[in-house]
Amino acid sequence: AQRVTQPEKLLSVFKGAPVELKCNYSYSGSPELFWYVQYSRQRLQLLLRHISRESIKGFTADLNKGETSFHLKKPFAQEEDSAMYYCALRKGNKLVFGAGTILRVKS
Amino acid sequence: DGGITQSPKYLFRKEGQNVTLSCEQNLNHDAMYWYRQDPGQGLRLIYYSQIVNDFQKGDIAEGYSVSREKKESFPLTVTSAQKNPTAFYLCASSTPSGGGGYEQYFGPGTRLTVT
Repeated sequence: AQRVTQPEKLLSVFKGAPVELKCNYSYSGSPELFWYVQYSRQRLQLLLRHISRESIKGFTADLNKGETSFHLKKPFAQEEDSAMYYCALRKGNKLVFGAGTILRVKS
Repeated sequence: DGGITQSPKYLFRKEGQNVTLSCEQNLNHDAMYWYRQDPGQGLRLIYYSQIVNDFQKGDIAEGYSVSREKKESFPLTVTSAQKNPTAFYLCASSTPSGGGGYEQYFGPGTRLTVT
C-alpha cells in the first residue's frame, strides 16, 4: 500500500542552523512526491515537487529511490520557516499525506 | 484571495445534529476533495469528486456524505453517525492529472466543534 512516513512530529532548530525534514514513502512504481507547507493562520500550500527539481525559499528535496526518501533540506533556517510541513505522494488523482512535522526555528 | 472558499470558519453543533460545510472554487477545476486534519495524523481523505455528479469515498468516509451538483461546489455533510466529528476540515481542488503540473489547492478550512 502507498504510505508516507514523517518520523518527527516536531523539529526544533536555532536560526542559521541546517534543517532536514525527513520523509520516507512506500510505492510500487515511479513516485511523484511533494512538500506542502502550512504557515500560522495561512492555508496549506505547495512548497515544491520533486519533478521540478527547484529550490523554493531556500528549500530543496531530492528523491532517493534506493532509500525511498524525499527529505526536505535547507542549509540555514530562518524564523519565518516555522510552520507545519507535510510530505505527500501522488496516487492517481489523489494525494497521500504523511502525518506532518512541525518546524520551530528559535532565535 | 479567491480560489477556494470555505464557510463558515468556525462551526459549533450539538451532538446528534447533522451539519453541512460549504466549499466553493472558482478555479474551474474538475476534481475536488475533502480532508480531515487532526494533530499527529496528517490529512486524511474523506471524499473526492473527479467530475460533476460523481464522487468516491476516501479513507475515512463513514459518517460523512457529499454531493457534487455543480462544478464549483462540493459540500460536505457531517452526520450524527460520525463518532468523532470535532476536527479541522479542509477542502481542496486540483489541476488536471495529466502532465507534470499536478497540484492541489486548499481552502482556509472550517473548524467544527461538536459538544
